Amino acid sequence: EVQLVQSGAEVKKPGESLKISCKGSGYSFTSHWIGWVRQMPGKGLEWMGIIYPGDSDTRYSPSFQGQVTISADKSITTAYLQWGSLKASDTAMYYCARHGPYSSSWFYWGQGTLVTVSS
Amino acid sequence: QSALTQPASVSGSPGQSITISCTGTSSDVGGYNFVSWYQHHPGKAPKLMIYEVSNRPSGVSNRFSGSKSGNTASLTISGLQAEDEADYYCSSYTYSSTLGVFGGGTKLTVL
Repeated sequence: EVQLVQSGAEVKKPGESLKISCKGSGYSFTSHWIGWVRQMPGKGLEWMGIIYPGDSDTRYSPSFQGQVTISADKSITTAYLQWGSLKASDTAMYYCARHGPYSSSWFYWGQGTLVTVSS
Repeated sequence: QSALTQPASVSGSPGQSITISCTGTSSDVGGYNFVSWYQHHPGKAPKLMIYEVSNRPSGVSNRFSGSKSGNTASLTISGLQAEDEADYYCSSYTYSSTLGVFGGGTKLTVL
């Protein structure tokens, strides 16, 4: 069974760093793109970026380029989303998703990680 | 890039049918048959309902159907049920980005 399990909710202060995770299991981790999606409070879904764990090819949405870093560790089948310096506007739910098995779509999703940034 | 355009809200009574539109451009919706639809109950993982414009993943009710005409894709839900109440997002491959693009989302209320 394919599963994506995300790390738990985080409460941080502005300026702090953070790395959240998404552990894949039940499939070949290196053979499928993993993406990160943001949902700010009361807003819609937004693609942040995607990574191909097989070769770490990473693509970012222009809105998020330079704001976050996406990475993956093949040895522990885990993808990451990290911030160097959080802002209050980073408060959101973050979802990871795995590409496929249906063409040009994302069938498998993590349960979401709520990040709250507040002083 | 700009999100695809969806109505903010639609509503219908149990048993009725509703259609949600998703308007893009020739660089996304109109240019490729790679439109997908997701159902999202807030706080839960989004669920893929339609891929490649009109295909249903295994396990998705045949009350859900998709279509496309020009730069506008549509999701139709027939025989509305209370459990269908959720937010619905379209998504399309786009020429300008490997990531694709989401619509702004439509809140479906079952009256």
